[in-house]
Amino acid sequence: QAVVTQEPSLTVSPGGTVTLTCGSRTGAVTSGHNPYWFQQKPGQAPRTLIYDTNNKYSRTPARFSGSLLGDKAALTLSGALPEDEADYYCLLSYDDARPWVFGGGTRLTVL
Amino acid sequence: QVQLVESGGGVVQPGRSLRLSCAASGFTFSTYVMHWVRQAPGRGLEWMAVISADGSSKYYADSLKGRFTVSRDNSKNTLYLQMNRLRPEDTAVYYCVWGLGHWGQGALVTVSS
Repeated sequence: QAVVTQEPSLTVSPGGTVTLTCGSRTGAVTSGHNPYWFQQKPGQAPRTLIYDTNNKYSRTPARFSGSLLGDKAALTLSGALPEDEADYYCLLSYDDARPWVFGGGTRLTVL
Repeated sequence: QVQLVESGGGVVQPGRSLRLSCAASGFTFSTYVMHWVRQAPGRGLEWMAVISADGSSKYYADSLKGRFTVSRDNSKNTLYLQMNRLRPEDTAVYYCVWGLGHWGQGALVTVSS
């Protein structure tokens, strides 16, 4: 069983809003897990969208935002574009014995 | 601009060793934490290892302990991953990552007889 959980797949309409979530089987996800979000398109290296829950890199499109939603980390895409179709991964930090763990990824379809 | 260029990948037989390198430029390499992440064909991302800026602290995913070693040479702006006793399931694209913010293009390692 994966420690970090994500929806296997989601679909959003062009221009629509979708929220991807990232949970932990050990309990609630908090800012202490330093959630990261990554986007990966076929044949490309991943690129980092969000760090430390809700911080964007300069190159992160404004339509992406990160947050904590209930007991999970969340990535919200507002105003989806066809180019946002990709796999999205979250990454959580735990402790010295298990420093960082990726979720299994969410395949987002814009349709 | 930031560049991370992995090298050293290729085809290797099971049980053999391989060393990957990651040449960094465009930032002050010696002051940043560096990570290795891999991705098996058709699979998700797997975090592998992290090394502190001065190389004194290293942490690994449980699945790798004892076989893989991360190191760095700050005088050469280069990160390394020594992989021993390779298994077919180690077949993957290996990425070096600067502080989890910038990714290299990856190096393909295929473990096969």
